[in-house]
Amino acid sequence: NAGVTQTPKFQVLKTGQSMTLQCAQDMNHEYMSWYRQDPGMGLRLIHYSVGAGITDQGEVPNGYNVSRSTTEDFPLRLLSAAPSQTSVYFCASSYSGLAGGHEQYFGPGTRLTVT
Amino acid sequence: KQEVTQIPAALSVPEGENLVLNCSFTDSAIYNLQWFRQDPGKGLTSLLLIQSSQREQTSGRLNASLDKSSGRSTLYIAASQPGDSATYLCAVPDQGAQKLVFGQGTRLTINP
Repeated sequence: NAGVTQTPKFQVLKTGQSMTLQCAQDMNHEYMSWYRQDPGMGLRLIHYSVGAGITDQGEVPNGYNVSRSTTEDFPLRLLSAAPSQTSVYFCASSYSGLAGGHEQYFGPGTRLTVT
Repeated sequence: KQEVTQIPAALSVPEGENLVLNCSFTDSAIYNLQWFRQDPGKGLTSLLLIQSSQREQTSGRLNASLDKSSGRSTLYIAASQPGDSATYLCAVPDQGAQKLVFGQGTRLTINP
């Protein structure tokens, strides 16, 4: 298994540009989520999905969109990039939602800089 | 609201020592607790997952314990090696918010 994969590894955007961060998992996990990691702020949940066709907002969803058309993929879209979105983005997955008590697996991250 | 604290923020020890990292949480009604390792510029690697019904979990030189009643977990690393140098994070699920609540991490340095 490749586990959780993310592309690209690095990205530089100009303010106002849009882009999609890709996340895929090959473990048939129902639960997938996106976090951003910032110095001094720790990891914060952006959006999550408990299965194909079901998504919901986390604690910092503004400026981001998600969709879940398949079990494997959970892309994160930045609609109009802002310098405040400069961060490291991590995708995570687990067999079921958090109440299921399953291990969370994280991807390698995408390092995004918005100028 | 669940809060997770890790003390100390940084720890430096000589190679070969046994060491303990601490994690505390405010709400004892947790399903599980997970320990992660993060190397500089890399993602999070899961080390151990302890279910709420378990007292401890072991993997190689790592042993994690959980005391729900006191809101504490420890990660014990035996015979530390320079390759153990990394930031160690603990996290518990916030069921209502469907998110993991992370501590700020302990940055561990093992000196040869």
